[in-house]
Amino acid sequence: NAGVTQTPKFQVLKTGQSMTLQCAQDMNHNSMYWYRQDPGMGLRLIYYSASEGTTDKGEVPNGYNVSRLNKREFSLRLESAAPSQTSVYFCASSVPGLRGGTQYFGPGTRLTVL
Amino acid sequence: AQSVTQLDSHVSVSEGTPVLLRCNYSSSYSPSLFWYVQHPNKGLQLLLKYTSAATLVKGINGFEAEFKKSETSFHLTKPSAHMSDAAEYFCVVTETSSNDYKLSFGAGTTVTVRA
Repeated sequence: NAGVTQTPKFQVLKTGQSMTLQCAQDMNHNSMYWYRQDPGMGLRLIYYSASEGTTDKGEVPNGYNVSRLNKREFSLRLESAAPSQTSVYFCASSVPGLRGGTQYFGPGTRLTVL
Repeated sequence: AQSVTQLDSHVSVSEGTPVLLRCNYSSSYSPSLFWYVQHPNKGLQLLLKYTSAATLVKGINGFEAEFKKSETSFHLTKPSAHMSDAAEYFCVVTETSSNDYKLSFGAGTTVTVRA
Protein backbone atom coordinates (compact mmCIF):
# COMPACT_ATOMS: atom_id res chain seq x y z
CA ASN A 1 0.00 0.00 0.00
CA ALA A 2 1.24 3.47 -0.89
CA GLY A 3 -0.98 5.06 1.79
CA VAL A 4 -1.72 8.72 1.03
CA THR A 5 0.00 10.22 -1.99
CA GLN A 6 0.13 13.85 -3.05
CA THR A 7 1.20 15.57 -6.25
CA PRO A 8 3.09 17.74 -6.90
CA LYS A 9 5.69 17.79 -4.12
CA PHE A 10 6.78 21.35 -4.91
CA GLN A 11 5.15 24.19 -6.85
CA VAL A 12 5.89 27.84 -7.48
CA LEU A 13 3.07 30.06 -8.73
CA LYS A 14 2.71 33.70 -9.61
CA THR A 15 -0.04 35.74 -7.99
CA GLY A 16 -3.32 35.15 -9.80
CA GLN A 17 -2.41 31.78 -11.29
CA SER A 18 -4.53 28.73 -10.58
CA MET A 19 -3.59 25.17 -9.78
CA THR A 20 -4.96 21.92 -8.40
CA LEU A 21 -3.29 19.81 -5.73
CA GLN A 22 -4.01 16.13 -6.07
CA CYS A 23 -4.43 13.59 -3.28
CA ALA A 24 -5.17 9.88 -3.42
CA GLN A 25 -5.41 7.12 -0.82
CA ASP A 26 -5.47 3.37 -1.26
CA MET A 27 -6.64 2.41 2.24
CA ASN A 28 -10.36 2.44 1.42
CA HIS A 29 -10.93 5.27 3.89
CA ASN A 30 -14.22 7.14 3.87
CA SER A 31 -12.98 10.51 5.10
CA MET A 32 -10.38 12.79 3.57
CA TYR A 33 -8.98 16.16 4.63
CA TRP A 34 -6.88 19.07 3.41
CA TYR A 35 -4.70 21.05 5.84
CA ARG A 36 -2.22 23.84 5.53
CA GLN A 37 0.82 24.17 7.78
CA ASP A 38 2.34 27.54 8.57
CA PRO A 39 5.24 28.19 10.96
CA GLY A 40 4.19 28.32 14.61
CA MET A 41 0.54 27.51 13.85
CA GLY A 42 0.34 23.75 13.64
CA LEU A 43 -1.99 22.41 10.96
CA ARG A 44 -5.26 24.12 10.11
CA LEU A 45 -8.12 22.39 8.36
CA ILE A 46 -9.11 23.86 4.99
CA TYR A 47 -11.81 21.44 3.81
CA TYR A 48 -12.83 17.90 4.56
CA SER A 49 -14.96 15.18 3.04
CA ALA A 50 -16.62 12.86 5.51
CA SER A 51 -17.64 10.49 2.73
CA GLU A 52 -17.75 10.25 -1.03
CA GLY A 53 -20.03 12.92 -2.44
CA THR A 54 -19.84 15.30 0.54
CA THR A 55 -17.51 18.18 1.34
CA ASP A 56 -17.49 20.72 4.16
CA LYS A 57 -15.55 23.81 5.11
CA GLY A 58 -12.93 23.69 7.78
CA GLU A 59 -11.25 26.48 9.68
CA VAL A 60 -9.64 28.36 6.76
CA PRO A 61 -11.59 27.66 3.51
CA ASN A 62 -11.40 31.09 1.85
CA GLY A 63 -9.59 31.05 -1.49
CA TYR A 64 -9.91 27.28 -1.95
CA ASN A 65 -12.27 24.79 -3.52
CA VAL A 66 -12.30 21.01 -3.30
CA SER A 67 -13.61 18.06 -5.24
CA ARG A 68 -14.15 14.55 -3.92
CA LEU A 69 -13.76 12.83 -7.26
CA ASN A 70 -14.38 9.33 -5.92
CA LYS A 71 -13.63 7.44 -2.74
CA ARG A 72 -9.88 7.46 -3.45
CA GLU A 73 -9.28 11.01 -4.63
CA PHE A 74 -9.72 14.45 -3.07
CA SER A 75 -8.35 17.50 -4.87
CA LEU A 76 -7.75 21.05 -3.67
CA ARG A 77 -7.95 23.96 -6.11
CA LEU A 78 -6.60 27.47 -5.83
CA GLU A 79 -8.49 29.58 -8.36
CA SER A 80 -6.40 32.75 -8.03
CA ALA A 81 -3.32 32.21 -5.93
CA ALA A 82 -2.20 34.86 -3.44
CA PRO A 83 1.10 35.19 -1.52
CA SER A 84 -0.84 34.45 1.70
CA GLN A 85 -1.42 30.95 0.35
CA THR A 86 2.30 30.18 0.46
CA SER A 87 2.35 27.17 2.76
CA VAL A 88 2.83 23.43 3.04
CA TYR A 89 -0.35 21.53 2.21
CA PHE A 90 -1.13 18.12 3.67
CA CYS A 91 -3.81 15.68 2.67
CA ALA A 92 -5.03 13.07 5.16
CA SER A 93 -7.53 10.24 5.27
CA SER A 94 -9.24 8.26 8.01
CA VAL A 95 -11.86 5.70 8.86
CA PRO A 96 -14.09 7.34 11.47
CA GLY A 97 -13.97 5.26 14.60
CA LEU A 98 -16.24 5.26 17.61
CA ARG A 99 -13.65 7.27 19.53
CA GLY A 100 -12.14 9.42 16.81
CA GLY A 101 -10.46 7.92 13.79
CA THR A 102 -6.73 8.12 13.34
CA GLN A 103 -5.75 10.27 10.39
CA TYR A 104 -2.99 9.21 8.00
CA PHE A 105 -1.07 11.97 6.28
CA GLY A 106 0.55 12.35 2.89
CA PRO A 107 4.08 13.74 2.43
CA GLY A 108 2.91 17.27 1.69
CA THR A 109 3.07 19.82 -1.15
CA ARG A 110 5.26 22.87 -0.67
CA LEU A 111 3.64 25.80 -2.45
CA THR A 112 5.22 29.21 -2.97
CA VAL A 113 3.19 32.07 -4.42
CA LEU A 114 5.27 34.99 -5.68
CA ALA B 1 -15.19 23.66 21.11
CA GLN B 2 -11.85 21.93 21.41
CA SER B 3 -8.33 23.28 21.55
CA VAL B 4 -4.80 22.30 22.43
CA THR B 5 -1.94 24.23 24.01
CA GLN B 6 1.60 22.94 23.75
CA LEU B 7 3.42 24.64 26.58
CA ASP B 8 6.90 24.62 25.05
CA SER B 9 7.70 25.77 21.53
CA HIS B 10 11.21 24.33 21.73
CA VAL B 11 12.84 21.63 23.89
CA SER B 12 16.54 20.83 23.85
CA VAL B 13 17.88 17.66 25.50
CA SER B 14 21.12 15.70 25.58
CA GLU B 15 21.22 12.27 24.01
CA GLY B 16 20.37 9.62 26.60
CA THR B 17 18.41 11.97 28.89
CA PRO B 18 14.62 12.02 29.36
CA VAL B 19 12.29 13.98 27.10
CA LEU B 20 9.11 15.70 28.32
CA LEU B 21 6.74 17.50 25.96
CA ARG B 22 3.79 19.17 27.65
CA CYS B 23 0.27 19.43 26.27
CA ASN B 24 -2.94 20.78 27.79
CA TYR B 25 -6.30 20.46 26.10
CA SER B 26 -9.82 21.74 26.38
CA SER B 27 -12.83 19.85 25.15
CA SER B 28 -16.57 20.00 25.66
CA TYR B 29 -16.91 16.24 25.43
CA SER B 30 -14.80 13.17 25.99
CA PRO B 31 -11.71 13.77 23.92
CA SER B 32 -9.52 11.56 21.83
CA LEU B 33 -5.93 12.73 21.99
CA PHE B 34 -3.01 12.06 19.70
CA TRP B 35 0.68 12.82 19.40
CA TYR B 36 2.13 13.09 15.91
CA VAL B 37 5.78 13.54 14.92
CA GLN B 38 7.08 15.33 11.85
CA HIS B 39 10.68 14.92 10.78
CA PRO B 40 12.19 17.66 8.60
CA ASN B 41 10.54 17.89 5.18
CA LYS B 42 8.38 14.87 5.92
CA GLY B 43 4.72 14.18 6.55
CA LEU B 44 3.18 13.51 9.94
CA GLN B 45 3.46 10.13 11.61
CA LEU B 46 1.24 8.93 14.46
CA LEU B 47 3.19 8.26 17.67
CA LEU B 48 0.30 7.25 19.90
CA LYS B 49 -3.34 7.91 20.69
CA TYR B 50 -5.68 7.93 23.67
CA THR B 51 -9.30 6.93 23.13
CA SER B 52 -10.66 6.38 26.68
CA ALA B 53 -9.07 3.02 27.39
CA ALA B 54 -5.94 2.92 29.57
CA THR B 55 -4.79 6.35 30.69
CA LEU B 56 -1.13 5.48 30.12
CA VAL B 57 -0.62 5.04 26.41
CA LYS B 58 2.46 3.49 24.86
CA GLY B 59 3.50 4.44 21.37
CA ILE B 60 6.22 3.78 18.87
CA ASN B 61 9.94 4.40 19.38
CA GLY B 62 9.73 4.25 23.19
CA PHE B 63 7.34 7.18 23.64
CA GLU B 64 4.43 7.17 26.04
CA ALA B 65 1.84 9.65 27.23
CA GLU B 66 -0.47 9.85 30.22
CA PHE B 67 -4.00 11.19 30.05
CA LYS B 68 -4.88 13.16 33.20
CA LYS B 69 -8.47 14.36 33.12
CA SER B 70 -8.21 16.35 36.35
CA GLU B 71 -5.32 18.33 34.91
CA THR B 72 -6.60 18.32 31.30
CA SER B 73 -3.13 17.23 30.24
CA PHE B 74 -1.62 14.70 27.86
CA HIS B 75 2.14 15.01 28.26
CA LEU B 76 4.53 12.99 26.08
CA THR B 77 7.64 11.37 27.57
CA LYS B 78 10.55 9.20 26.57
CA PRO B 79 13.10 7.88 29.11
CA SER B 80 16.15 8.25 26.91
CA ALA B 81 16.42 10.56 23.90
CA HIS B 82 18.04 9.43 20.68
CA MET B 83 19.47 11.63 17.95
CA SER B 84 16.72 10.40 15.62
CA ASP B 85 14.10 11.94 17.95
CA ALA B 86 15.00 15.41 16.69
CA ALA B 87 11.76 16.53 15.03
CA GLU B 88 8.62 18.56 15.55
CA TYR B 89 5.87 17.09 17.70
CA PHE B 90 2.19 17.94 17.59
CA CYS B 91 -0.44 17.31 20.24
CA VAL B 92 -3.89 16.87 18.70
CA VAL B 93 -7.42 16.62 20.09
CA THR B 94 -10.72 15.58 18.61
CA GLU B 95 -14.13 15.41 20.24
CA THR B 96 -15.59 11.96 20.00
CA SER B 97 -19.23 12.91 20.42
CA SER B 98 -19.28 14.88 17.18
CA ASN B 99 -20.20 13.33 13.87
CA ASP B 100 -17.28 14.81 12.06
CA TYR B 101 -13.72 14.01 12.90
CA LYS B 102 -11.94 17.29 12.71
CA LEU B 103 -8.66 17.47 14.54
CA SER B 104 -7.38 20.51 16.42
CA PHE B 105 -3.61 20.81 16.39
CA GLY B 106 -1.30 22.44 18.86
CA ALA B 107 1.32 24.84 17.51
CA GLY B 108 4.03 22.22 17.80
CA THR B 109 7.17 21.61 19.90
CA THR B 110 10.53 21.42 18.17
CA VAL B 111 12.90 18.94 19.80
CA THR B 112 16.65 19.17 19.35
CA VAL B 113 18.96 16.47 20.67
CA ARG B 114 22.55 17.33 21.61
CA ALA B 115 25.27 14.71 21.21
